[in-house]
Amino acid sequence: EADIYQTPRYLVIGTGKKITLECSQTMGHDKMYWYQQDPGMELHLIHYSYGVNSTEKGDLSSESTVSRIRTEHFPLTLESARPSHTSQYLCASSRQNNEKLFFGSGTQLSVL
Amino acid sequence: EDQVTQSPEALRLQEGESSSLNCSYTVSGLRGLFWYRQDPGKGPEFLFTLYSAGEEKEKERLKATLTKKESFLHITAPKPEDSATYLCAVRQGPGGSNYKLTFGKGTLLTVNP
Repeated sequence: EADIYQTPRYLVIGTGKKITLECSQTMGHDKMYWYQQDPGMELHLIHYSYGVNSTEKGDLSSESTVSRIRTEHFPLTLESARPSHTSQYLCASSRQNNEKLFFGSGTQLSVL
Repeated sequence: EDQVTQSPEALRLQEGESSSLNCSYTVSGLRGLFWYRQDPGKGPEFLFTLYSAGEEKEKERLKATLTKKESFLHITAPKPEDSATYLCAVRQGPGGSNYKLTFGKGTLLTVNP
């Protein structure tokens, strides 16, 4: 059973605000990922981590940043949110590199 | 360019009406094809992994098959609870830490009672 949690589920904020999207997993997975998904579109990888203190940018350019100080925690931060950041953000983890992914329920972000 | 194309974009079925969803891919060095189910407002949920042409996997009313160019997700006698978006993803790469995962846009399946 997958145990990966994202908070908040929904977030509506004004332009220029700093936000952090939280993601935690209790499966002990080294590999963690952040995807961005717009309605009717593919999931696009924006960040990934293969372990503590390891983070890389994904295929889709993003102004967000991530950190991986603990195995179970992989937060995503936007220093100054803009309307173009409005999207659904999905966190995932896996035991092996890009193998079977376990996804959280996502954070739907709306920037006004 | 590596591509994953799913068809149809949307499919509406009557309960009990069997059908298939298609995922065609043009990637080199396939290292796995994955099917996920995504319900509205939720993250995708893993269904199957296929690694080589001719491989088949089954789970309840779902059966996934793989050829060298495409994969099919067959749905037998679907029920309304099978309604969801079905995503296909392919993993490719030379191996080790260099795998890349590419998702399709998904097929939105609606099963009417």
